[in-house]
Amino acid sequence: AQSVSQHNHHVILSEAASLELGCNYSYGGTVNLFWYVQYPGQHLQLLLKYFSGDPLVKGIKGFEAEFIKSKFSFNLRKPSVQWSDTAEYFCAVNFGIGGADGLTFGKGTHLIIQP
Amino acid sequence: ETGVTQTPRHLVMGMTNKKSLKCEQHLGHNAMYWYKQSAKKPLELMFVYSLEERVENNSVPSRFSPECPNSSHLFLHLHTLQPEDSALYLCASSQTTGQYNSPLHFGNGTRLTVT
Repeated sequence: AQSVSQHNHHVILSEAASLELGCNYSYGGTVNLFWYVQYPGQHLQLLLKYFSGDPLVKGIKGFEAEFIKSKFSFNLRKPSVQWSDTAEYFCAVNFGIGGADGLTFGKGTHLIIQP
Repeated sequence: ETGVTQTPRHLVMGMTNKKSLKCEQHLGHNAMYWYKQSAKKPLELMFVYSLEERVENNSVPSRFSPECPNSSHLFLHLHTLQPEDSALYLCASSQTTGQYNSPLHFGNGTRLTVT
């Protein structure tokens, strides 16, 4: 079955530390990949997306992610985190392109940045 | 402002009640979705509507009944729910063609508690 795995459920970092959140999916076909963020009390917002082309994609607020097809991975990175990055981060995959297929989400990673 | 508005924000209902959740999108999208977000579980896709027709139903119990009267409005009718149905119910919309599906835009959700 198609699935999305996020390896870290809780991550605690200090400000200015580097961040990498893992995301893997199980599907050999074409995928569209997304990272969403949910700040406390707010709605889910799109951080970045990959559809095709350059596998290194840049999103908002200094985040980037790299699609490595051979590893079925789409890890999220940020070189220097800020206290305001405290949030829940969700990796999501659209298995098969075209049409309103909906997204399959990972369980999420709760990121806490300590000042 | 997300462009996707959900009402009510909070709902408490007994197991014998009938209630409805409402979602309205102001983005001109042609696809709408219901997701369920429970603690410690991935977001679960419940229903997908594309061009007002239901295209996906992920084996959701019949006590949840969706309705999509037009491309801007989506309802989730609830009846005889169980306590385990308590969760955050998220509405989302996207623009889809035969080959492309834009990222999902989410509402703030309705926090449902079943007593």
